[in-house]
Amino acid sequence: DSGVTQTPKHLITATGQRVTLRCSPRSGDLSVYWYQQSLDQGLQFLIQYYNGEERAKGNILERFSAQQFPDLHSELNLSSLELGDSALYFCASSVEASRRDDTQYFGPGTRLTVL
Amino acid sequence: DQQVKQNSPSLSVQEGRISILNCDYTNSMFDYFLWYKKYPAEGPTFLISISSIKDKNEDGRFTVFLNKSAKHLSLHIVPSQPGDSAVYFCAAFQGGSQGNLIFGKGTKLSVKP
Repeated sequence: DSGVTQTPKHLITATGQRVTLRCSPRSGDLSVYWYQQSLDQGLQFLIQYYNGEERAKGNILERFSAQQFPDLHSELNLSSLELGDSALYFCASSVEASRRDDTQYFGPGTRLTVL
Repeated sequence: DQQVKQNSPSLSVQEGRISILNCDYTNSMFDYFLWYKKYPAEGPTFLISISSIKDKNEDGRFTVFLNKSAKHLSLHIVPSQPGDSAVYFCAAFQGGSQGNLIFGKGTKLSVKP
């Protein structure tokens, strides 16, 4: 158990809908990262938050947004869903914002299926 | 354009033998590399890392080698055990003000008893 929790584990929805994925980081971790893993793809970085502020953006679509709350949990909002958004979404957390030896701990992921 | 590449989608090895997983990168600015291991229905877990100031880092049965001139790293597992069967991801640390990792597509290792 990494200490990072993600809910829900599975989500099935229809095209055009909006969903929210939730992540609680490890106790004491201030940084939260969101990654997307599509079929046969590596993990693609979406966005990073540090202590409530957006820190870095990766390949995140405009239809997607995220935020980190004062209690440090984070939510990833996906809207106007398309079939291609079906993927595993992982949240990871670390203590600091950009220290290379600061291990990122991953949650178990949320599997999103868009029908 | 993939900056971290794992060209072998799968690898099968006999128990007790050596497993060698390879990874190439294109960005010469990368200076810290990691390997993560992933079992089905779980998130990736950190395995081992290496800084570009080293060419080797060892942790028990796991050794990572870095060849900066070739922009190549490899993970050696000796001896391989059935419990090592998993998907292994190579990753590079983005650096600068960003803490994210850039991952390869992964190599699925199967260790047969």
